[in-house]
Parts: sequence; C-alpha cells; structure tokens
Amino acid sequence: ETGVTQSPTHLIKTRGQQVTLRCSSQSGHNTVSWYQQALGQGPQFIFQYYREEENGRGNFPPRFSGLQFPNYSSELNVNALELDDSALYLCASRGTGETQYFGPGTRLLVL
Amino acid sequence: GQQLNQSPQSMFIQEGEDVSMNCTSSSIFNTWLWYKQDPGEGPVLLIALYKAGELTSNGRLTAQFGITRKDSFLNISASIPSDVGIYFCAGQLGGGADGLTFGKGTHLIIQP
Repeated sequence: ETGVTQSPTHLIKTRGQQVTLRCSSQSGHNTVSWYQQALGQGPQFIFQYYREEENGRGNFPPRFSGLQFPNYSSELNVNALELDDSALYLCASRGTGETQYFGPGTRLLVL
Repeated sequence: GQQLNQSPQSMFIQEGEDVSMNCTSSSIFNTWLWYKQDPGEGPVLLIALYKAGELTSNGRLTAQFGITRKDSFLNISASIPSDVGIYFCAGQLGGGADGLTFGKGTHLIIQP
C-alpha cells in the first residue's frame, strides 16, 4: 500500500477524444510524476510537477498536459487521442526523499 | 523513448533456486533502482542504489550499482512463489526532474 490512488481504474475512449486521469498523492508529497506503460514495456516518463509547476518532461507531445493542485491531487490530460495512447498510465509521488511511490495505474483503451 | 537493456526477458525457475538479472545502459546514471510489478499494480521499489560500486541487500535480494555507472544487477536467493512477477530496473541521472528511465522488465516465473 503506497498511499497513492488513481482513478478511474479502467477507461475506454475513441480516437480523437480527450481524457483526464486523476491521481491522489501521499500527504506532504510535493512532487508527482506521470508515466505511460505500454503492454510488455517498462514505464516511460511523461512529465513531472513540483508545487504545481511542470519541471521536467519526457519525449511526449504537447497534447499530453497536466495539472497539480495544492491538495496533493493531480491530473493527466490527453487531447486528440490516438490508438497508440492505449496503455497503463501510472502516477508516482515523492516527498523530500528520493523514493517515488507508484499508484496502481489507470488502464486506457483507445478504439 | 529510451529504455535500458534488461535481461533476461523471462526466467522459468524452480522454487528454491537463485535468480540473477541485469541491466545495462549506453548512458551513465547517478541512481539505479529495482522495482517489482504485480498484475494490476504499480511498480514497488525493492532496492535503491546511489553510489557506483554500491552493493545493497534487502532480505533475499541483493543489487549492485556498476562501477562504470552504466549497469546494475539484481540477485534473488532461494526463490519462493511470491517472487513471481515482473522486475524492472530504472536509472535516474539528475536530481529528479528528468524522471526515471526503465528497462523492459524481466518476467520471473516459478515452476512448482
């Protein structure tokens, strides 16, 4: 039990739609990162937020965006969904230490 | 995106056997991490390594941070059924804003 929760657990969308995924971090964790994990692959870093500002980004296009709120919750938004966006989306929160605690993920299927 | 070279891709072993898996990179990392992921769950941290040459144990698990900072290995001794799962290595270069770079995973299967 990492104290990181994500919603929804599963989601089905069609190509071109927009989706918002949610994450609730551990209290006191000011850093949240989002990862995309395709089937059979390791997680890929999307971006990181620290105190409501994006401070790091992986190789993902601008249609992947995020928000972080003062209550330790955050969102991942994906616009103009493509078939290849089908994946498990993981959020991970971190306090002042190095350890990132992952949530169980949201499985997104784009048809 | 970049992924680390993790091997083997899968392992079929008998309960009680020792397991060894490794991870290599073309780039150096300042931190190496090993995670385990069970079905329907997110990755759970097993061992974190912060210094080249460091050897760290966590129960039956032992991991080492390669001296070149481009590789790491994980050993599991006397495997038990609950060790089944997918093991990922991950590297991190900087203070954290660059995120973790993961391997593709080693799928550990234990035969009764």
